[in-house]
Amino acid sequence: GNSVTQMEGPVTLSEEAFLTINCTYTATGYPSLFWYVQYPGEGLQLLLKATKADDKGSNKGFEATYRKETTSFHLEKGSVQVSDSAVYFCALMSGNQFYFGTGTSLTVIP
Amino acid sequence: GAVVSQHPSWVICKSGTSVKIECRSLDFQATTMFWYRQFPKQSLMLMATSNEGSKATYEQGVEKDKFLINHASLTLSTLTVTSAHPEDSSFYICSAPDQDREQYFGPGTRLTVT
Repeated sequence: GNSVTQMEGPVTLSEEAFLTINCTYTATGYPSLFWYVQYPGEGLQLLLKATKADDKGSNKGFEATYRKETTSFHLEKGSVQVSDSAVYFCALMSGNQFYFGTGTSLTVIP
Repeated sequence: GAVVSQHPSWVICKSGTSVKIECRSLDFQATTMFWYRQFPKQSLMLMATSNEGSKATYEQGVEKDKFLINHASLTLSTLTVTSAHPEDSSFYICSAPDQDREQYFGPGTRLTVT
């Protein structure tokens, strides 16, 4: 079946620190992979995505590479800002259905 | 870009009453929409797939008689929580794919049952 395992939080970093949030998946077929971000009191927003192996998704300084050999899609950012504080969800899409990880709460302190 | 709206954004109701939540695709048509619920500090769990013109498909463990889904048009799906109880309090989110299969999520509806 399809599932996503995501690094548990919460994660607290100082501003300008390096961020990694691990995500691995199990899937039948060839899913698309996503990172969504949820700011306090808001809905999910697409952060980045990758649709096939070795694709790199990037947006707002965040990056993630679709690694089929390790079934991973780790999220990275070289220098986080206070405004990056949010909950981050890794997800895969198979067909039209999404499967989400449990979310990782990130707090960036000045 | 495409937008999905939900109404209301939050609702408080008394135990035993029913609540209807609307999900609309504002600038595209969606033959399929998805309903999720999210518990505090947890991930989204797919509840059901809403199909325009036919019955919804429910995930295992979701009571179809309690969570009534109606997909009456290509831009509107509704979720009605019938005879709500405090344990139904949650954050309900819908999503819809556009013609390019890009998935768009609504902002969510927070339901509190007292």
